[in-house]
Amino acid sequence: DAKTTQPPSMDCAEGRAANLPCNHSTISGNEYVYWYRQIHSQGPQYIIHGLKNNETNEMASLIITEDRKSSTLILPHATLRDTAVYYCIVRVVDYGQNFVFGPGTRLSVLP
Amino acid sequence: EAQVTQNPRYLITVTGKKLTVTCSQNMNHEYMSWYRQDPGLGLRQIYYSMNVEVTDKGDVPEGYKVSRKEKRNFPLILESPSPNQTSLYFCASTGGDAGSYEQYFGPGTRLTVT
Repeated sequence: DAKTTQPPSMDCAEGRAANLPCNHSTISGNEYVYWYRQIHSQGPQYIIHGLKNNETNEMASLIITEDRKSSTLILPHATLRDTAVYYCIVRVVDYGQNFVFGPGTRLSVLP
Repeated sequence: EAQVTQNPRYLITVTGKKLTVTCSQNMNHEYMSWYRQDPGLGLRQIYYSMNVEVTDKGDVPEGYKVSRKEKRNFPLILESPSPNQTSLYFCASTGGDAGSYEQYFGPGTRLTVT
């Protein structure tokens, strides 16, 4: 699976959009981009995933660049409960494949 | 509600006393796995199972055993726990539609071995 690079930490004001970048310049054509988050010491929680097109769900939006070498997770109106570590993972869609979690980005939403 | 459950959530034990952490999922997923999480080391896979009676080692299997006798359950066994196995443990199951596999995590078990 391709390696990802994320900033170690970011701050965001409550109510503003949080934009979390992820670089995956070695991504292959059959690899998806997944985002998870971990709030405090809870189990990681799935947020969103995509292949080429931008995706949106009730939690967030995922913007993938045309060359697929980077992506941005957008939380449109961050709340204090969005404070967490966010993980960007690139992997082939194969249920037998392990999800490899890197250090992620620690997002702090400030009041 | 789709979920992965783990028990116990917290456990303090002594070196050498065998213990089992249970994991159960209600989503009929075939793939299940165990991770440990330590400060500065992130999530590391211990063992995984691709189906009943099929298990394999992950990245850090030493000192652990697993079994998969039925699809919903995947217990983690520490035959002789040691202090370096003090950690936060997560069970996970993977499933979904083709092209959309997601991993669902349990709430975690915090283990302390003294």
